Amino acid sequence: DIQMTQSPSSLSASVGDRVNISCRASQTISTYLNWYQLRPGKAPDLLIYAASRLQSGVPSRFSGSGSGTDFTLTIASLQPEDLGIYYCQQSYWSPETFGRGTKVEIK
Amino acid sequence: EVPLLESGGGQTQPGGSLRLSCVATGIDFSNYAMTWVRQAPEKGLEWVSGLSSSGDSIYYADSVKGRFTMSRDNSNNILYLQMNSLRVEDTAVYYCAKYNDRSGYYGVPNYGMDVWGQGTTVTVSS
Repeated sequence: DIQMTQSPSSLSASVGDRVNISCRASQTISTYLNWYQLRPGKAPDLLIYAASRLQSGVPSRFSGSGSGTDFTLTIASLQPEDLGIYYCQQSYWSPETFGRGTKVEIK
Repeated sequence: EVPLLESGGGQTQPGGSLRLSCVATGIDFSNYAMTWVRQAPEKGLEWVSGLSSSGDSIYYADSVKGRFTMSRDNSNNILYLQMNSLRVEDTAVYYCAKYNDRSGYYGVPNYGMDVWGQGTTVTVSS
């Protein structure tokens, strides 16, 4: 199975900060990389698909980049509602696999 | 209106069975491939199974193959996960989700899951 390694495992940042979350695949996955946000008590949300395509309805402060094995999720200006756990997922090889998550806290 | 609503979770002993349901509302259910994803306590997300829009193409994670059966009723917009021979390690929140692709095809590569339910909790314990 493809291993997805996220870093950092957690971070704490202030409102307005720029936040970067990294995700590395153990084999090339082209651009079949998706990012999700899990917030307490809410259904998970798809933020970015195909590495860089913003899902409809997602604020433009979220962006994604990368291809091959290395990917980044960027939150341009952190907002209070962005707290939660962020997961990357590869959808190129079966079985689809997720990273272990990055917990984002607001200072 | 909640687009996907899971039910059927609960507590059972090892070796027991549960059937999860996921009712879809307002998402053109019969045209989309669907999936079950779970999250064990203090763990990350794990893909469990995927099913094409017609129900004729089904795939399972090795960890559940032979024990879990995924199916769908397109007439009533319901997705199912029959879980037999449950193990302690099956304890998790189970989410149903819709694939981000109108083809109805299930497989890789794909563009992820764009609509999720809020999850139902399964606890397997003696």
